[in-house]
Amino acid sequence: EAGVVQSPRYKIIEKKQPVAFWCNPISGHNTLYWYRQNLGQGPELLIRYENEEAVDDSQLPKDRFSAERLKGVDSTLKIQPAELGDSAVYLCSSSSFQTYEQYFGPGTRLTVT
Amino acid sequence: AQTVTQSQPEMSVQEAETVTLSCTYDTSESDYYLFWYKQPPSRQMILVIRQEAYKQQNATENRFSVNFQKAAKSFSLKISDSQLGDAAMYFCAYQGKGSGNTGKLIFGQGTTLQVKP
Repeated sequence: EAGVVQSPRYKIIEKKQPVAFWCNPISGHNTLYWYRQNLGQGPELLIRYENEEAVDDSQLPKDRFSAERLKGVDSTLKIQPAELGDSAVYLCSSSSFQTYEQYFGPGTRLTVT
Repeated sequence: AQTVTQSQPEMSVQEAETVTLSCTYDTSESDYYLFWYKQPPSRQMILVIRQEAYKQQNATENRFSVNFQKAAKSFSLKISDSQLGDAAMYFCAYQGKGSGNTGKLIFGQGTTLQVKP
């Protein structure tokens, strides 16, 4: 069984530029999460999807961040415009209704210069 | 709001020895899940072990075991017969089960484990 796939693995952009991250969850997993992990800290939830519906986006900075999960499968997280403080690792995870365990992708390391 | 605290930023252990990583949490809920995740330099977050709060018995997975003290809100991880491949950052995480929970994981700050040959 394939795991959670994320791309790109690394991204370097200048501030004020847009950037997008992609996540493909484990097949059959209806719940998808995006987390942000700052250096030396634990991940923090940005947004959670149940199928194509965002059920918890309270921690998503909506002025510059947006996300979508069309058709309830893969998802895209976008930042526009990026700021220096957005430098972090962006992790995607997924789970199914039947289990509570989340499986994580390898993450995207974003560096904003 | 729930919080998770890991008070040991760094730990080291000699290969083949045993090490214990500490974690405390705060919650007003009675039923929840607790996890330990391992994150090597590759950044892949790997589930090590899980514990359901209503289960009295401490979880065990091969060389990994937990000491779950619900009243004290403590959840420590013991790694026996440490191996070089155990070197990584370890995160303790909480997940609520109540109707108001969205399934999100609340993580501690992490403990970096060094294994010395």
